[in-house]
Amino acid sequence: GQQLNQSPQSMFIQEGEDVSMNCTSSSIFNTWLWYKQDPGEGPVLLIALYKAGELTSNGRLTAQFGITRKDSFLNISASIPSDVGIYFCAGGTSYGKLTFGQGTILTVHP
Amino acid sequence: SQTIHQWPATLVQPVGSPLSLECTVEGTSNPNLYWYRQAAGRGLQLLFYSVGIGQISSEVPQNLSASRPQDRQFILSSKKLLLSDSGFYLCAWGSGTGELFFGEGSRLTVL
Repeated sequence: GQQLNQSPQSMFIQEGEDVSMNCTSSSIFNTWLWYKQDPGEGPVLLIALYKAGELTSNGRLTAQFGITRKDSFLNISASIPSDVGIYFCAGGTSYGKLTFGQGTILTVHP
Repeated sequence: SQTIHQWPATLVQPVGSPLSLECTVEGTSNPNLYWYRQAAGRGLQLLFYSVGIGQISSEVPQNLSASRPQDRQFILSSKKLLLSDSGFYLCAWGSGTGELFFGEGSRLTVL
């Protein structure tokens, strides 16, 4: 089946630093999405990407849909303590099914 | 606006007991519905998806089943739980555009 390789697995940063994480796959996806999950809650959609090469921002977040349709990255600028959580990439195929990466655990030190 | 709810939020069940998790969506019609399982706070695994009433597709062989008795209702069931069924179960809906929206999750512990 399809698999996504998400890296890094975890990050420990200081408040104010920028963050970058990415996902790669051997398969092509129609969409790329990025989610954030807080402990004990469902994932919340941050950014959705629909076209190869698309670069989209949502506040301090910026994500890109790789030109080969096999990768995507997420950047967070000027991190703040509430950015703490697990970030997931997801690639979308038919029927809206999503394949998820293993997540990046982000810890922000004040 | 659309909302999705699932319950119960937490469940502790003995091995061999039955299971029923319920999910409902409001504010939209004919949504695609999904059940995912998340182990140890990491990646999500798709278990079932449904594009309409009575239409269920299973992604992985397992001890669980799903049903969609109404347009906006999705149920995850088991006749006899196994220890390996423990995990965090997430229901999600989508309109077919690619974006999925998740419920609050149900944490199942099988003892």
